[in-house]
Amino acid sequence: DAGVIQSPRHEVTEMGQEVTLRCKPISGHDYLFWYRQTMMRGLELLIYFNNNVPIDDSGMPEDRFSAKMPNASFSTLKIQPSEPRDSAVYFCASSEGLNEQFFGPGTRLTVL
Amino acid sequence: SQQGEEDPQALSIQEGENATMNCSYKTSINNLQWYRQNSGRGLVHLILIRSNEREKHSGRLRVTLDTSKKSSSLLITASRAADTASYFCATGGNKLVFGAGTILRVKS
Repeated sequence: DAGVIQSPRHEVTEMGQEVTLRCKPISGHDYLFWYRQTMMRGLELLIYFNNNVPIDDSGMPEDRFSAKMPNASFSTLKIQPSEPRDSAVYFCASSEGLNEQFFGPGTRLTVL
Repeated sequence: SQQGEEDPQALSIQEGENATMNCSYKTSINNLQWYRQNSGRGLVHLILIRSNEREKHSGRLRVTLDTSKKSSSLLITASRAADTASYFCATGGNKLVFGAGTILRVKS
């Protein structure tokens, strides 16, 4: 298996622009997670899905953030409009049940 | 707030030495996990220890769990330069909460 795939790996955008991050989980995994990592706040869980259904989005910082999982093999995290404080590394992870999570390589987002 | 807190924040040792990292958490848990993150990469799962286990081994890794003290430790024996990374403990089942991590540097 190729592991969790994220795209793009790097994204540089200007404040106010829409940003879409993409994730393909490992086939057969029924949980998908979106995390954000910054030096100041560490690794934070934003939202997670079970069988394509959002279960807990309490970590989503504000309404500018939204996430979807239209099918078992694809998820997106969208920021609209983006702000400089959104600059971070965003990770997607997937798991099979209540077991270890497999992380993707991350998307490094820079908002100017 | 973070559930797990690692100690020390940073650790620098010579190749061949053992490295010990500690994690303390606040609430009761079903299991505790340790992850490694190499610079610029995603996290990699190392080991999971359940609340009814006291010790677990995986290769050069040894994890202990003391639920009465709400603490866990990760021991890496005979460290190698390739072990240089950040190490995180995480609790919370599917809604994992990660600590701030310990930065380990192994000098060759």
